[in-house]
Order: sequence, then structure tokens, then C-alpha cells
Amino acid sequence: DIQMTQSPSSLSASVGDRVIITCRASQSISSYLNWYQHKPGKAPELLIYDASSLQSGVPSRFSGSGSGTDFTLTISSLQPEDFATYYCQQSYSTPGSFGQGTKLEIK
Amino acid sequence: QLQLQESGPGLVKPSETLSLTCTVSGGSITSSIYYWVWIRQPPGKGLESIGSIYYSGSTYYNPSLKSRVTISVDTSKNHFSLKLRSVTAADTAVYYCARATDYGGNPIDYWGQGTLVTVSS
Repeated sequence: DIQMTQSPSSLSASVGDRVIITCRASQSISSYLNWYQHKPGKAPELLIYDASSLQSGVPSRFSGSGSGTDFTLTISSLQPEDFATYYCQQSYSTPGSFGQGTKLEIK
Repeated sequence: QLQLQESGPGLVKPSETLSLTCTVSGGSITSSIYYWVWIRQPPGKGLESIGSIYYSGSTYYNPSLKSRVTISVDTSKNHFSLKLRSVTAADTAVYYCARATDYGGNPIDYWGQGTLVTVSS
């Protein structure tokens, strides 16, 4: 099994801040890494696929980078609607496994 | 616009079988560039992949659940299903069905709204 580890588990930040969330895979997954945003009571939404490709309709303040085992999700300037939980997911092996999530809260 | 809708009992007794169906509308389940997945989220916890299926019937299961899970597809009804046997309280979760692409990093690009299944006597 491929284990995914996110850090931090939670994060307090203010509107306008730059935020970086990291995700590490237990083995190389090339660029088979996706990021999702999840708000309570709603379905998760795809933000970034293939480590760095922005899903259609997602604001450009979201970006992803990395390959192999280490990946990052960056939000360049936090907006009020960005406070949510973020998950990375490896899709190198099926079914893809998720990180434990990073809860982004308002400071 | 593709839509996925989970359906099934919201309450299941311990030791029984949890059964859910995901109906796909606005697109065909037989497209070869997609596959179909089940994911769950226990209360207060993160997302957990349960398994996936191609329209051909090929399946892949989370090793931690493999002995209890069956995912099947009915192309005539454009839906796929989940069966989880011998459930316990630990299987209480919101269950999501979703579509994953078989290219470009294989992301999950469409999700159902999720359905809460509670395991309790």
C-alpha cells in the first residue's frame, strides 16, 4: 500500500495569506498526485491533477508542484471561500489512497 | 453535465450487508476513458478509498476492506453498486460514489453528494 502523509494537519491563516500544504508519498508515485478541497456537507472538489495541472474552473491562486514522493499545494492569497479541508490523493496505484487531510481555518 | 447519485438504506444492522447503488446520469458508464469509484468518510475522519471498477467489470479494492467488499456494474442501468459485508460501527460513514479519469493523473473529477450510512442495532 502507498501511504500518503500531509502536513500540517491543521493550519490557521488570514485572508490574503500565502499558504503551503505538503504531501509525502511512502514510495515514488511520479506525478500521479491530485489535490481536493472539501467543505462540510458537500462533495469534495478537484483542484489540481497530475501534480501541477489546474482543473478547469479552479482559480489561479491555487497551484501544485512536485514529483516522486514530495508534493505541495500553494494558495497564493487566501480568500474567505478557501477555508476548508484539503486532501492529497495518489492515483499511481488503484484504488488511490488519500492523505489524512489539512484543515484550513480562519485566524 | 454528469451527475452521480447514491441510493440505499441509511441504517444497517451490525453483521449485515451494506448495499448502495450509484446511478450515473448525463453520461455513459461504458466510456473506456473513465472508471468508477467508491470512497467513504467516517465521522470526524478523512477520506478512504473503498474500491473501483471499470465498465468491463475489472475491480480493484482497498486491501484493508477487500475480504468484505464487492463492487459491480450494470451497464444496462448505467449504474454501479457497492456491497460491504459483516458491517460494524466502524463502517458508519458518508459514502461517496465518483468518476475517475483513466488518463492525465487519473483524478476523480465528478462526485456524488454522498449518503450517510449508520451501522446500529
